[in-house]
Amino acid sequence: GESVGLHLPTLSVQEGDNSIINCAYSNSASDYFIWYKQESGKGPQFIIDIRSNMDKRQGQRVTVLLNKTVKHLSLQIAATQPGDSAVYFCAEIYSSASKIIFGSGTRLSIRP
Amino acid sequence: ETGVTQTPRHLVMGMTNKKSLKCEQHLGHNAMYWYKQSAKKPLELMFVYNFKEQTENNSVPSRFSPECPNSSHLFLHLHTLQPEDSALYLCASSQAGDIQPQHFGDGTRLSIL
Repeated sequence: GESVGLHLPTLSVQEGDNSIINCAYSNSASDYFIWYKQESGKGPQFIIDIRSNMDKRQGQRVTVLLNKTVKHLSLQIAATQPGDSAVYFCAEIYSSASKIIFGSGTRLSIRP
Repeated sequence: ETGVTQTPRHLVMGMTNKKSLKCEQHLGHNAMYWYKQSAKKPLELMFVYNFKEQTENNSVPSRFSPECPNSSHLFLHLHTLQPEDSALYLCASSQAGDIQPQHFGDGTRLSIL
């Protein structure tokens, strides 16, 4: 069946280092992908998105990479800061079917 | 300010109670969503409304009853809930008919005694 999953449920990173969070998806028809950040006690917050006709997109300190060949999505956070501590999860959208599937999430913790 | 406001933030209720969750969006969107978020599980889409019309019901038990009086307001009426219904209930909104990221509220933490 369709699924969106994350390789690592938890990730601990030294402050100042780069973080990489991975996501696998199974529906090759998905054409839009989103990364969300969810801090404790809050709702998910949009970070960055990418369409399937792209393989890389950069934002402020964040980069999303899309590898359609292996159905893999990653989120890279540069110079990780304490405020980056949160659960991160991906979502895949199959727009013509108006279908969205969320991953389970990876908890990112920052070591001082 | 997220643009999507949910009340109450916390709710504790017995299995025989009737309560309602409220969501209001100030973003001018015309699609609204209810999600259930349980510990260590992905977000589960419950209901979708486009232009006040329900367009999706993901096999949600009838003890959950949504209501969308207009494009800015969404309710989830709760009745005779079960302990396994304890979760964080999230509301989201987006523009309908286009690829858009959804904007989420901070949720209602629901506990069923």
